[in-house]
Amino acid sequence: GNSVTQMEGPVTLSEEAFLTINCTYTATGYPSLFWYVQYPGEGLQLLLKATKADDKGSNKGFEATYRKETTSFHLEKGSVQVSDSAVYFCALRENYGQNFVFGPGTRLSVLP
Amino acid sequence: NAGVTQTPKFQVLKTGQSMTLQCAQDMNHEYMSWYRQDPGMGLRLIHYSVGAGITDQGEVPNGYNVSRSTTEDFPLRLLSAAPSQTSVYFCASGGVQAGSYNEQFFGPGTRLTVL
Repeated sequence: GNSVTQMEGPVTLSEEAFLTINCTYTATGYPSLFWYVQYPGEGLQLLLKATKADDKGSNKGFEATYRKETTSFHLEKGSVQVSDSAVYFCALRENYGQNFVFGPGTRLSVLP
Repeated sequence: NAGVTQTPKFQVLKTGQSMTLQCAQDMNHEYMSWYRQDPGMGLRLIHYSVGAGITDQGEVPNGYNVSRSTTEDFPLRLLSAAPSQTSVYFCASGGVQAGSYNEQFFGPGTRLTVL
């Protein structure tokens, strides 16, 4: 079946540090890939997405590239801010499928 | 445009009680779903619907019922609450474009405690 694996957290960084959160997936077809972010006490919000191999999704300084050869979709940001502290979820959806599969989430804490 | 709304925000139940978690969306989305979020386990799909009158089970459906009588509403019913159902519940919806399902939009969640 389909699955998503994320690096375990929590991840603690100082402000302006470089961020990488690893995500790898297993899928039988050609999925779309997503990163969602959950701020404390809130629901999940879409951060970025990529629908085919070699696509790069980007938003708010975050980037992730769909790498079919390594089945990965790692999230990166060049300079994190305190306001980026949240839980980040990697997810996939099979193309023309309805349901999402989420990874366990990675908690990021950014210290001033 | 309120997006996806959920009520209540918090609920405490005793073992064996029943209740309904409400979910509504005003985006005319065909697809709606319910997830539970537990520490270290991400989100797990409980039930989903691809349109009014159509529902199906997800990964963890036991102990929950759903119905979809309108496009807008997708209530989740706990028939006889158990402590193992203590969790945060999220409702989500998504549309279909060019035959492919789009990203999901999430509600703010309901935090449920079963004593």
